[in-house]
Amino acid sequence: AQKITQTQPGMFVQEKEAVTLDCTYDTSDQSYGLFWYKQPSSGEMIFLIYQGSYDEQNATEGRYSLNFQKARKSTNLVISASQLGDSAMYFCAMREGGGNFNKFYFGSGTKLNVKP
Amino acid sequence: SAVISQKPSRDICQRGTSLTIQCQVDSQVTMMFWYRQQPGQSLTLIATANQGSEATYESGFVIDKFPISRPNLTFSTLTVSNMSPEDSSIYLCSVETAGLYGYTFGSGTRLTVV
Repeated sequence: AQKITQTQPGMFVQEKEAVTLDCTYDTSDQSYGLFWYKQPSSGEMIFLIYQGSYDEQNATEGRYSLNFQKARKSTNLVISASQLGDSAMYFCAMREGGGNFNKFYFGSGTKLNVKP
Repeated sequence: SAVISQKPSRDICQRGTSLTIQCQVDSQVTMMFWYRQQPGQSLTLIATANQGSEATYESGFVIDKFPISRPNLTFSTLTVSNMSPEDSSIYLCSVETAGLYGYTFGSGTRLTVV
């Protein structure tokens, strides 16, 4: 089974509007971390936001926030007030606890296009 | 968090040749990781490189094709050997990011094999 599932290959959003990128995950570990990365066309991977499995509050970092629903195993990224510079690929990732703690699982990504 | 300098940023290579990609970290790190991102795909872990020991390769990746060096705690190289067009990808190195339990990535090497 896929560890990380991103079901939206591409998304469009109007500049200044909010957009939600979906991500579901699969793990039997109690301890894990969830991450979102942004990849512009230049290819670098930029860390955006992190949510720990034991965190009770949804993570927020500036215009980025997570809608973390542990029972549903989903961690959707919300970008508020979209900007043209937000156009990029967005990857959801998970790091499990336990013996394979150093392995990251990445989703297939969502390409976000912000329209002026 | 660590700052990683990765080079080259891009290259176009002839099939059958080899390319060595370098990653320099501004602090000492125990493990460095190498990823491949094929066109339109997500990231796939190639191997984990510890200083002073042989790299640990993931299923589907072998040392003869992707030899890795890790001579000290701040530097690593990945060589893509005997290249074919199927090796055209972005290659990224990464290190653990202290305090965030995640990874910091290098800027990536965009490789095109012709």
